[in-house]
Parts: sequence; C-alpha cells; structure tokens
Amino acid sequence: EPEVTQTPSHQVTQMGQEVILRCVPISNHLYFYWYRQILGQKVEFLVSFYNNEISEKSEIFDDQFSVERPDGSNFTLKIRSTKLEDSAMYFCASSVGPGRSYGYTFGSGTRLTVV
Amino acid sequence: QQQVKQSPQSLIVQKGGISIINCAYENTAFDYFPWYQQFPGKGPALLIAIRPDVSEKKEGRFTISFNKSAKQFSLHIMDSQPGDSATYFCAASQGANAGNMLTFGGGTRLMVKP
Repeated sequence: EPEVTQTPSHQVTQMGQEVILRCVPISNHLYFYWYRQILGQKVEFLVSFYNNEISEKSEIFDDQFSVERPDGSNFTLKIRSTKLEDSAMYFCASSVGPGRSYGYTFGSGTRLTVV
Repeated sequence: QQQVKQSPQSLIVQKGGISIINCAYENTAFDYFPWYQQFPGKGPALLIAIRPDVSEKKEGRFTISFNKSAKQFSLHIMDSQPGDSATYFCAASQGANAGNMLTFGGGTRLMVKP
C-alpha cells in the first residue's frame, strides 16, 4: 500500500535554529497538508497546499513557517527560528483529491525537539 | 466555534465488549466527520467517516452514529479486541474548497484487556 514518507523521524535542534522537515507524498496525490501534535494533545492543522500554493493555513502557521514543493516529489515544512513551543510531532498528509472527499493519508511523523 | 470535544480521554474495555467514544461540535457548517485510529509512533489512519445526511454508518465492527440535531456523533467498536488498543480521534471539516482542513477532537486512548 502506498505510504507518505517523512524524514527524519526525530530531529533535535537548538532554539533559534532553522529546521526543514521533509515529506514524500503518495505519487499521484495532488493535495498536501501539515499537521502537528504536541505531546499528549490533539492533532492541529497547520497548512494545506494545492497547485503550488497555500490554500488554507491556521493561526499557528505564522511568518516563521513556510512550505515548499521544490520538485515533483518532496513537500517541505520550514521553521525559520525554532522556539521551545515548536516541539511536537509533525505529520505530513496527502490526498488524491480534496481530503474530505477522498480521505487523507498521514505519514508516521517527525518528532521535533527544540532545546 | 471550531472546537470538537471528545470524551472520554481514556477507556478500558474487556475483550469482546463494546467501546463507545463520543464527540460534540458547535459549528453547524461542519459536514464531514471522520474517525482516525493512531498507534504509537504512527500517524493517524482513517477508520470510518460519515456525512450528516445519514444517521449511522457501519463498516465491519466499527459504527458511527450521528445526531445532527444534538450536534453529536459517536464511534462504537463492537467485539473489541486487544489489537484495537490505540488512540482514537474524531474530526470534522467543512466546505468544498481545496483545503478541507480537519479539526480534531482531543483523542481517546483505548485499552482492550484480554
């Protein structure tokens, strides 16, 4: 079964440093998403991306965050200057059509630890 | 308005029993209600979903019951098995635009005892 692949599985970074989280969505999927889950809390929407542009973003997704699809296979989330409160599990997801109609496939996540 | 409230936070059920997880929402514009199952170290995986034009949807041992007037929906797991032990999230979304963001409930950690 096709999978959404995320790398690295765990990243530790110092506060103030830039991090890039990488995702390889399922090859025929057109809609891409980032969600995060702070330890023990609910999964929260960050951003959705379609046709090479952001289609929706949450209040969490401020100027410190950016997303990019640099080539035909990768989808990245960049945090410019990490804060302690950015420590969370970050999930990438993709869907072949609008997620509500076709269902999302989530990756296994990247655990980001900011120290 | 955008919140989805989920209960209980944790649930222990004996093997063969029925697990029931409840969710409530406020935003009447929500029109898609999926349930996700998450095992430790894995991402959420879609289990079953319902739209508000039906009151119940069943897939195998999993059933969603939907009460539009009460703005509540619930997941029933019949004949619960130890392999069902996981965290379950309800979610909701609205609108037909390209984003379709999901608003998740707080999650329920289910343990099925052998």
